[in-house]
Amino acid sequence: DADVTQTPRNRITKTGKRIMLECSQTKGHDRMYWYRQDPGLGLRLIYYSFDVKDINKGEISDGYSVSRQAQAKFSLSLESAIPNQTALYFCATSDHGADTQYFGPGTRLTVL
Amino acid sequence: GENVEQHPSTLSVQEGDSAVIKCTYSDSASNYFPWYKQELGKRPQLIIDIRSNVGEKKDQRIAVTLNKTAKHFSLHITETQPEDSAVYFCAASPGRSYIPTFGRGTSLIVHP
Repeated sequence: DADVTQTPRNRITKTGKRIMLECSQTKGHDRMYWYRQDPGLGLRLIYYSFDVKDINKGEISDGYSVSRQAQAKFSLSLESAIPNQTALYFCATSDHGADTQYFGPGTRLTVL
Repeated sequence: GENVEQHPSTLSVQEGDSAVIKCTYSDSASNYFPWYKQELGKRPQLIIDIRSNVGEKKDQRIAVTLNKTAKHFSLHITETQPEDSAVYFCAASPGRSYIPTFGRGTSLIVHP
């Protein structure tokens, strides 16, 4: 869905570096999410936000932080990247009062 | 919290055969059960969902069934085609104010 975009699409970095992944949406949705996908482990929730002033930890928030700069923007930061944070990261959105989540194209992050 | 188990992790079928993917959940408060399809290199996209007030829902070649008593739900794909090859995720959610919990995914391979 082109209404949810993520930058960068691919990133290779080194252990200890600070990394920011960005998500933007033009769907006008209130709710935004960050997921991590690892082979065989499905989609695991890192953080979510129901509106600009709301930030909540998900299942695996350790080592990550987020910022909701505006309704349309939700960024994920790795303050000091480590190799086991190598994964595919998805941003998603949903509308208030609706259940369907709309995913961005994903960011493939490799930490060496 | 909710726990969603999904089986099998890999399913290989011949074109034209049927495919069934099964999920179980633990939280009796869950009442919304979506299924997402993720093609290789693409983002997950909703293909069908069901709410707890119905037992079955169909959309062309795909159907979902729900057994609330047993806490399990299944995805059925009939007359499989090579383009059905993808990873399928089930999820369960207590409703619109809550975050869905995803299963670990099933890799469906349809051989021509």
